[in-house]
Amino acid sequence: DTGVSQNPRHKITKRGQNVTFRCDPISEHNRLYWYRQTLGQGPEFLTYFQNEAQLEKSRLLSDRFSAERPKGSFSTLEIQRTEQGDSAMYLCASLGTGGNEKLFFGSGTQLSVL
Amino acid sequence: EDQVTQSPEALRLQEGESSSLNCSYTVSGLRGLFWYRQDPGKGPEFLFTLYSAGEEKEKERLKATLTKKESFLHITAPKPEDSATYLCAGQIQGAQKLVFGQGTRLTINP
Repeated sequence: DTGVSQNPRHKITKRGQNVTFRCDPISEHNRLYWYRQTLGQGPEFLTYFQNEAQLEKSRLLSDRFSAERPKGSFSTLEIQRTEQGDSAMYLCASLGTGGNEKLFFGSGTQLSVL
Repeated sequence: EDQVTQSPEALRLQEGESSSLNCSYTVSGLRGLFWYRQDPGKGPEFLFTLYSAGEEKEKERLKATLTKKESFLHITAPKPEDSATYLCAGQIQGAQKLVFGQGTRLTINP
């Protein structure tokens, strides 16, 4: 169990640029989640995958955000035409099958949009 | 609207001074109530899941309890290493997402 891995750890970009983050979940976990967290707030749900299928998506997720999980392994989150309001910590989490609802989080990607 | 509210926002205690953190929720059909610990610059770390009113779980100096409207995280004789932000989250029946509160930032002074 090597944990949930996220890359990069930090990303600084200029407004209007596109960015992509990667998440590698725990290898046997079929469920994968993306959350966003701003300073002083709790994580906010963005989207959920079961294997390669995207099954839940937050109403707050604008058209500039897209997530994929090809082959049900790693996942990517892309933000197009970034805005200053996109600055946040983007967290990935994974969960295995069965009744254990213990969600494992990665250390996140801190995005700063200048 | 499903909502989770934590209080206080911040709490400063002396080492050994016990206290409780509160998490109140208005969630339609609660499936589970989760507690996480988060250290600066890291992702949340799972502590407990509670499923029904009256349930209690313990881990070292922490005990979590659940009623029909709120949950408490009791910290007994805390140590400086217990300093962190504690998050609670509710999971709704039929949904996968967790709805998080804003967290309580706990500082334990030696």
